[in-house]
Amino acid sequence: DAMVIQNPRYQVTQFGKPVTLSCSQTLNHNVMYWYQQKSSQAPKLLFHYYDKDFNNEADTPDNFQSRRPNTSFCFLDIRSPGLGDAAMYLCATSRPPGAGNYGYTFGSGTRLTVV
Amino acid sequence: AQSVTQLDSQVPVFEEAPVELRCNYSSSVSVYLFWYVQYPNQGLQLLLKYLSGSTLVESINGFEAEFNKSQTSFHLRKPSVHISDTAEYFCAVTTTGGGNKLTFGTGTQLKVEL
Repeated sequence: DAMVIQNPRYQVTQFGKPVTLSCSQTLNHNVMYWYQQKSSQAPKLLFHYYDKDFNNEADTPDNFQSRRPNTSFCFLDIRSPGLGDAAMYLCATSRPPGAGNYGYTFGSGTRLTVV
Repeated sequence: AQSVTQLDSQVPVFEEAPVELRCNYSSSVSVYLFWYVQYPNQGLQLLLKYLSGSTLVESINGFEAEFNKSQTSFHLRKPSVHISDTAEYFCAVTTTGGGNKLTFGTGTQLKVEL
């Protein structure tokens, strides 16, 4: 089945130690997104890629970076994780608005713990 | 910019009772609307969506939602809930003209009790 896969499901990292979360898709969607979801809150968009074009949200901290080496893969890099960065990180994909059967497909998420 | 309001943070309901989860949106342009369900420590699963056409949309597991443009609402309903429906439900909106930004409401925790 076509899907969005996030690895790992659970990640524990040390305070200040760089960490990378990965996302892959078999849907061949143009757009890939990273959302941060803290406990009991709505998902918050960090940034997205439209093909190779990177779009950062204005309030996304500089500590968060992203890479998209090809259509299928997208990475979230946290350069110096703080305790406040502990959250569920969700990857999603979509086609451009107006494309047939438009919608967003989410991965299962990576739960990040900072110790 | 668009926004979503989910008025109820928690909705307790007995099994086999009907339920309505409320969602109102704000946007100056045309929108697409979505309902997602999230189980503990899981990602978001699409429940149903409104893109165009019939204002009443249905999911395969008995949920339905009606797009009401005049009231800027997209309430989610189910005539008879099951224990397995216990989860967090998010309403979300994006504009039809591009921008690629899906904006979520704060979520409603549906708790189904015996």
